[in-house]
Amino acid sequence: GAVVSQHPSRVICKSGTSVKIECRSLDFQATTMFWYRQFPKKSLMLMATSNEGSKATYEQGVEKDKFLINHASLTLSTLTVTSAHPEDSSFYICSAGESGRRLDTQYFGPGTRLTVL
Amino acid sequence: AQTVTQSQPEMSVQEAETVTLSCTYDTSESDYYLFWYKQPPSRQMILVIRQEAYKQQNATENRFSVNFQKAAKSFSLKISDSQLGDAAMYFCAYRRYNQGGKLIFGQGTELSVKP
Repeated sequence: GAVVSQHPSRVICKSGTSVKIECRSLDFQATTMFWYRQFPKKSLMLMATSNEGSKATYEQGVEKDKFLINHASLTLSTLTVTSAHPEDSSFYICSAGESGRRLDTQYFGPGTRLTVL
Repeated sequence: AQTVTQSQPEMSVQEAETVTLSCTYDTSESDYYLFWYKQPPSRQMILVIRQEAYKQQNATENRFSVNFQKAAKSFSLKISDSQLGDAAMYFCAYRRYNQGGKLIFGQGTELSVKP
């Protein structure tokens, strides 16, 4: 099946710094990728929809200037947490649907655990 | 707005037995997809089963099957012959037919399997 990777798998940073998380579709092209946030023992909360070559669409309540999303190619989307604070500590997951298949199936990355000290 | 509700935060089943996880959803759409995802301790999301709303026949994947009741907006997952490896968080998810893949997840059910 299709594979989605995320890098890094975990990151620890100091408060006030920025952190970039990469999401790659390894064996297929993804016009659209999705970024989710998950707290321990909780569900996945959609943060934004990343569209190749255009601006991301953010869900209500998600700060666009804090969570910068770039989808520069059909295989790569990045999420940058700017000026991170301890409350941004969470598990971030991306997913991608294969272009041209009506996004019937979402393939999920393994997630990135962010800890902000 | 569409919502997905899983009313069972935790469930437990004996190995080799059968367990059913509940899911209800609310939508005014007629065409949509429903999914069950498994999230083991590794946190990797794994698709278990998928159901298209226009199909009356319940989806089945090996030991996993669903009971899809469109009028009642219910989508339960049955796991037969439970195995230790089935222990995980299970999420029910909804997607509109033409909404570009955006998934709406339920709160999740943590399933434990007793040997």
